[in-house]
Amino acid sequence: LAKTTQPISMDSYEGQEVNITCSHNNIATNDYITWYQQFPSQGPRFIIQGYKTKVTNEVASLFIPADRKSSTLSLPRVSLSDTAVYYCLVGEGHGSGNTGKLIFGQGTTLQVKP
Amino acid sequence: EPEVTQTPSHQVTQMGQEVILRCVPISNHLYFYWYRQILGQKVEFLVSFYNNEISEKSEIFDDQFSVERPDGSNFTLKIRSTKLEDSAMYFCASSDTIGPPFGDIQYFGAGTRLSVL
Repeated sequence: LAKTTQPISMDSYEGQEVNITCSHNNIATNDYITWYQQFPSQGPRFIIQGYKTKVTNEVASLFIPADRKSSTLSLPRVSLSDTAVYYCLVGEGHGSGNTGKLIFGQGTTLQVKP
Repeated sequence: EPEVTQTPSHQVTQMGQEVILRCVPISNHLYFYWYRQILGQKVEFLVSFYNNEISEKSEIFDDQFSVERPDGSNFTLKIRSTKLEDSAMYFCASSDTIGPPFGDIQYFGAGTRLSVL
C-alpha cells in the first residue's frame, strides 16, 4: 500500500474554498485515490475517489495530475459543518491477493471558523 | 441510502469479561471489516472477512478476538477477555467490488464505543 503524506491540520473560514493536497509518490498502476471524512465519534465516510484527471461530485472535487504522485481534495465554500478529519488513502482494493484493508494515516484536521 | 448499522452504540464492561459487538453490513456487500480507533489516535485495521473466512488480520487481532457471520445479515466481533487497552471505538465496514473504472469503497458504521473498566 502506497504511503501518503498530507498536512496535519488546516484552518479556513466559512465560504472559502479549501484545498487539501496529499502526496503519494509510490502509487502503483492499479491504485485508486480515495478520500474519507470523519467527524468526532463517527465512522469514516467516503467522500470521493479517482484514478486520474479530475473527478467531481456533489460534495467535492478531486484533482489528480498526470503523474498521479499527488492529489488535491477541493471543498468549495466550506461551512462550519465541514470541520472534520480528512483522510487520503491509496490502494487497489481487492484483487491481486489484496484484501482491501484500508490503512489510515493521521489525516488532515480541518477547522472551519465563522 | 443503504447503511452499515452497529449495535450497541456504547458498551461498558468489566476487565476480563467477554463482549460481542454487532454489525449489519449493507445487504449486497461481500467484504467485511472491523477497525478500531483509540481516542485521539488513528483508525486501525483489525480484520477483513470474505466468503465466510478471515482473509487478513492485523497484529492487534490476537487470539482474544474472533469474528463471525452467524447468518446472512450479521457480522460480529467478539473479544473473549477484555483488557483496559481494548477501550476504543470499533467500526464495522463493508464493501463490494464494482470493478474498473471504480475502486472499492468501504462504508462504515457509526461505531461502538467500548469502555473497559
